Amino acid sequence: GNSVTQMEGPVTLSEEAFLTINCTYTATGYPSLFWYVQYPGEGLQLLLKATKADDKGSNKGFEATYRKETTSFHLEKGSVQVSDSAVYFCAHVSNSGYALNFGKGTSLLVTP
Amino acid sequence: SAVISQKPSRDICQRGTSLTIQCQVDSQVTMMFWYRQQPGQSLTLIATANQGSEATYESGFVIDKFPISRPNLTFSTLTVSNMSPEDSSIYLCSVSPGGGRGEKLFFGSGTQLSVL
Repeated sequence: GNSVTQMEGPVTLSEEAFLTINCTYTATGYPSLFWYVQYPGEGLQLLLKATKADDKGSNKGFEATYRKETTSFHLEKGSVQVSDSAVYFCAHVSNSGYALNFGKGTSLLVTP
Repeated sequence: SAVISQKPSRDICQRGTSLTIQCQVDSQVTMMFWYRQQPGQSLTLIATANQGSEATYESGFVIDKFPISRPNLTFSTLTVSNMSPEDSSIYLCSVSPGGGRGEKLFFGSGTQLSVL
């Protein structure tokens, strides 16, 4: 069935380090892909999305490219900040086309 | 966009009791979703609640255990019935204001439930 797999956390980085959080998916067809972020004490919010192969989603310095050949949507940021500390969730549209299937989330802690 | 108010934000309940979680949206939305996030697990879709029709439950979830109401386009409730410690989780309400396939979802801040 459809599923999303993302790298285990927690990930701890120093400020200004390079970030990669891996995400791979299995799905029928080519569903839209998403990264959601949950900052401490807040609800999940959309970080970025890509709707078709080779699309690159970007927001707040984060990027992810929809790679159909590797069924991946890895999240990257060139220089993380302390304020990026949060839990990041990779997701894709479910079979219904409306709800989302989520990965387990990757906790990121950025230290000064 | 949509602003979602979910309550209670947390509760501690006794085994065998029931808890009703409320989700209020600041705009009319067709589709609302209820998710569960168990410790160390991904968000799992419980059901889709559309106004004017019965909720559609995902595999592993049944109406007797998780009855849902959707009386209008801005409100929904999820009840966790006859609770056991295995129901300890975060429950999240989510909406798709655009209503289309592949649209972004907005989430409430969640209800953290602990069952003793």
